[in-house]
Amino acid sequence: GQQLNQSPQSMFIQEGEDVSMNCTSSSIFNTWLWYKQDPGEGPVLLIALYKAGELTSNGRLTAQFGITRKDSFLNISASIPSDVGIYFCAGRREYGNKLVFGAGTILRVKS
Amino acid sequence: GAGVSQSPRYKVAKRGQDVALRCDPISGHVSLFWYQQALGQGPEFLTYFQNEAQLDKSGLPSDRFFAERPEGSVSTLKIQRTQQEDSAVYLCASSPVLFSGRESYEQYFGPGTRLTVT
Repeated sequence: GQQLNQSPQSMFIQEGEDVSMNCTSSSIFNTWLWYKQDPGEGPVLLIALYKAGELTSNGRLTAQFGITRKDSFLNISASIPSDVGIYFCAGRREYGNKLVFGAGTILRVKS
Repeated sequence: GAGVSQSPRYKVAKRGQDVALRCDPISGHVSLFWYQQALGQGPEFLTYFQNEAQLDKSGLPSDRFFAERPEGSVSTLKIQRTQQEDSAVYLCASSPVLFSGRESYEQYFGPGTRLTVT
């Protein structure tokens, strides 16, 4: 089962709004990755984080590797309609290469 | 350049049938991973190859699941005697080795194969 807790589970966005989501764990991870998945497609890598405290941007997306190494945050600024989809955090422990994923945050458009 | 490709994209199998799912990783990528994604969930790790060596198969749910990568490029995930609980999307991912020789931890995913067992 999932070992990363992602929140919120879902949220509605209005174009132009800023969006925040986070991922927490009871154990330490050495790498945090954020992915976006559209229906019927595989996850697409957005941002990779390698050091505690690291803050990395990719266009309107900014992600942070938590100081405790047990959490990570993703912010989307000035959201646009194509931002809708499911966002997953994924963590890699100190040993091994496999990724552990959260259950995802679903972004929907407010009508 | 070409990304990770998977085939077939959709597979319907009757319970008890064997299935084979194929993954073509990004050219030159050393590491290859298989994940299983149930509806409404995040992907869950199944197995990992570095070149042709299967270094971790701790996520394979039963001995009905078998994966191979004989020449260190294309990989096949085989499921024998499929059961309804095997219905899921099967995702393949690959990652490169950096110039420093260190393995990259960034995994690039294919579109997945949606398996439905009836």
